[in-house]
Amino acid sequence: QVQLVQSGSELKKPGASVKVSCKASGYTFTSYAMNWVRQAPGQGLEWMGWINTNTGNPTYAQGFTGRFVFSLDTSVSTAYLQISSLKAEDTAVYYCARTYCGGDCYLDYWGQGTLVTVSS
Amino acid sequence: SYELTQPPSVSVSPGQTARITCSGDALPKKYAYWYQQKSGQAPVLVIYEDSKRPSGIPERFSGSSSGTMATLTISGAQVEDEADYYCYSTDSSGNLWVFGGGTKLTVL
Repeated sequence: QVQLVQSGSELKKPGASVKVSCKASGYTFTSYAMNWVRQAPGQGLEWMGWINTNTGNPTYAQGFTGRFVFSLDTSVSTAYLQISSLKAEDTAVYYCARTYCGGDCYLDYWGQGTLVTVSS
Repeated sequence: SYELTQPPSVSVSPGQTARITCSGDALPKKYAYWYQQKSGQAPVLVIYEDSKRPSGIPERFSGSSSGTMATLTISGAQVEDEADYYCYSTDSSGNLWVFGGGTKLTVL
């Protein structure tokens, strides 16, 4: 069965970096794009962008350029989200979610989420 | 930037019909998707391509779309349907995806 398993919670100081992993299983990793979604405490879902798992080409949503980097290691079927120069407002749960394309494309399977806390 | 607009909250009694709306300028040409998120859990897809229901989702969940508005309907809402619901769609270019602000459904 399809599973997306994310790395554990992180506590970081302002200015530090963090790398969140999302390990896929149960399907061919390079056949489906991967998205990242942010949810700040008590807030809604924000689509951060996606990465083409065939080419490694990322697309970032407005507001997620510069400090946010999507990457892959296809040898271990894992996608990564790296955030640099962390700020308090980066405190959030970060989800990876697979894109399924049938008649249209949408997010079908989600990881369990990774809580990143930025605090001094 | 593109926006999808949802009401912040909807409240119904058990057994009543709950309707959650989502408005967006591109919805006449783009599909809407609906996700249910219960407290502390990852979102779950409940409706795709405006009105299709994934396997395992109860029949009381249905979706429709007309003009610039998509609607999620829960017929005979149950207490276990209490959750936040988010619509999800793309702008007219198909390159920018966005979630609505979310609607908190209370069933009591």
